[in-house]
Amino acid sequence: KAGVTQTPRYLIKTRGQQVTLSCSPISGHRSVSWYQQTPGQGLQFLFEYFSETQRNKGNFPGRFSGRQFSNSRSEMNVSTLELGDSALYLCASTNSRNTDTQYFGPGTRLTVL
Amino acid sequence: GNSVTQMEGPVTLSEEAFLTINCTYTATGYPSLFWYVQYPGEGLQLLLKATKADDKGSNKGFEATYRKETTSFHLEKGSVQVSDSAVYFCALSEVGGSNYKLTFGKGTLLTVNP
Repeated sequence: KAGVTQTPRYLIKTRGQQVTLSCSPISGHRSVSWYQQTPGQGLQFLFEYFSETQRNKGNFPGRFSGRQFSNSRSEMNVSTLELGDSALYLCASTNSRNTDTQYFGPGTRLTVL
Repeated sequence: GNSVTQMEGPVTLSEEAFLTINCTYTATGYPSLFWYVQYPGEGLQLLLKATKADDKGSNKGFEATYRKETTSFHLEKGSVQVSDSAVYFCALSEVGGSNYKLTFGKGTLLTVNP
């Protein structure tokens, strides 16, 4: 069974632009979570989606948004990029029958210049 | 709110040495506890987990015991290998049964020299 996939793996943007990252969960997993990883703040929870509905949200500004499609694939969007948004963005999926285990993708490395 | 504190390192050991990475947590109720490992350039992999007090999680020679009385979940391995070099994260799930949000420690970089 294929793991969690994220595209693109690397991305370079400039301040003020917007970006969309994509995540495909493990087949059959309906919950998708997003995390931001930076050297200074570590791993921080962004949001979680289940059946196309956002169920949990972390403490991030409204520039960070996401959505989930009917096939459980998820996208996150960051508008008006700032230098501090440079980070590794990780997506994780969860099997609703084994809810205590999150499976992570390789991440998207976003660099904002 | 919930929080996880782990020794930040870096930790440098020789091959076959004993490893301990300390992790303590603050949470209301009874969270599930996890250790994740991140190899260079990769995402996080679940190493082991424990879901209730006194449970011991184990995998690949690593062990950790859920200690409610000391709110700790220390990671141990009796004999490390060069291939164990990675960043290790301690994490807990949100209390109340929702395991969809993890709170992580800052991570501990482990380097094992031959």
